[in-house]
Amino acid sequence: QSVLTQPPSVSEAPGQRVTISCSGSSSNIGNQAVSWYQQLPGKSPKLLISYDDLVHSGVSERFSASKSGTSASLAITGLQSEDEAIYYCASWDNSLNGHVVFGGGTKLTVL
Amino acid sequence: VQLVESGGGLVKRGGSLRLSCAVSGFTFSNAWMTWVRQAPGKGLEWVGHIKGKSDGGTTDYAAPVKGRFTISRHESENTLYLQMSGLKTEDSAVYYCTTADTGYVPPDYWGQGTLVTVSS
Repeated sequence: QSVLTQPPSVSEAPGQRVTISCSGSSSNIGNQAVSWYQQLPGKSPKLLISYDDLVHSGVSERFSASKSGTSASLAITGLQSEDEAIYYCASWDNSLNGHVVFGGGTKLTVL
Repeated sequence: VQLVESGGGLVKRGGSLRLSCAVSGFTFSNAWMTWVRQAPGKGLEWVGHIKGKSDGGTTDYAAPVKGRFTISRHESENTLYLQMSGLKTEDSAVYYCTTADTGYVPPDYWGQGTLVTVSS
């Protein structure tokens, strides 16, 4: 089981908006920065968002993120077929000596 | 920033393997470097990290690999290593070398990964 909780899958039609949630605790999301990644099949994860809501250079402005308390969410507007991928959230976790924790990943299907 | 892993391959259970990550484009000595792995069809898992020199250069490891894996860096060669021993079938995964612009945050940059397969 992953430390951060994401829905296994979401789906939406092209052109629509979709959100992906990520739930954690006070030792990670509640007090630490959240990042979001997109992983296409056979590729390494690509950073989309860092520091909760900072869109990484070169990433489409269709991607945005927010955080409230111990939960975070990624939003994608104007869905395109190329957005079909697995999305992961991540955060630093203060427990023990501190380390990176990940969500289990959410498979986005563009219908 | 460039991170290029190598050294993956097929190894028997109980065997050893050393992964390398050639880095460029940033100040390696002060960078926090993290190994992340992904088993086939599974999610991402933190393996361990080495802090930047200015933060003490210490290492830390995930429980499943502690005592079997060792992270080190060779500054003059701009290379990060992951020495793996006592390999188990559950260590089979793609191993990613990653780094961030600062410590105490998830990775910003990822290598292409190298596949490790442990046979029984």
